[in-house]
Amino acid sequence: AQKVTQAQTEISVVEKEDVTLDCVYETRDTTYYLFWYKQPPSGELVFLIRRNSFDEQNEISGRYSWNFQKSTSSFNFTITASQVVDSAVYFCALRGTWGNDMRFGAGTRLTVKP
Amino acid sequence: DAGITQSPRYKITETGRQVTLMCHQTWSHSYMFWYRQDLGHGLRLIYYSAAADITDKGEVPDGYVVSRSKTENFPLTLESATRSQTSVYFCASSTITSYEQYFGPGTRLTVT
Repeated sequence: AQKVTQAQTEISVVEKEDVTLDCVYETRDTTYYLFWYKQPPSGELVFLIRRNSFDEQNEISGRYSWNFQKSTSSFNFTITASQVVDSAVYFCALRGTWGNDMRFGAGTRLTVKP
Repeated sequence: DAGITQSPRYKITETGRQVTLMCHQTWSHSYMFWYRQDLGHGLRLIYYSAAADITDKGEVPDGYVVSRSKTENFPLTLESATRSQTSVYFCASSTITSYEQYFGPGTRLTVT
């Protein structure tokens, strides 16, 4: 069974602070896919990144970076120099080898204060 | 490019009534999905479809029915709505080769 845990329910930071959102996953599949989505206050879900299990390279995209560690089953998301526009709920998700059952974590609500 | 749309965006219905939520995508994506979002649970998969006339259950299918006669449409029907089905419903789609899913704007359903 697939499971995703986002232990941080809510995080509040002040603008320009760095913040890391944790994601821990469980799966028995040897090939799997990890995702991060952003849900701003407007409610839509925005795809941020996909990481394949066989690619452990970390990824950086502007102020966003992702740290994938198979040894600890974690796929953490860091926002550098946070901005008010980063305020949103962030979801981590996992898809296994077979089927299309993508499991989402409960989400982390990030509030960035000016 | 309309992408993926859902209708209605908001719906209030009474317990026991049948209600259908519509989802339409213009990308010709093979896969389509229905999720519900509830506080503390993230998103949970209700049903998905790999192609027209092919559907399968997700994590929480009870009380829901889907159909997919055309690639671009994937309606979700609550045959006899219950209060526990009050939620925000998201439709999503993806291609065969790329596993990331693209979501519609959501439908907020309230069952009174």
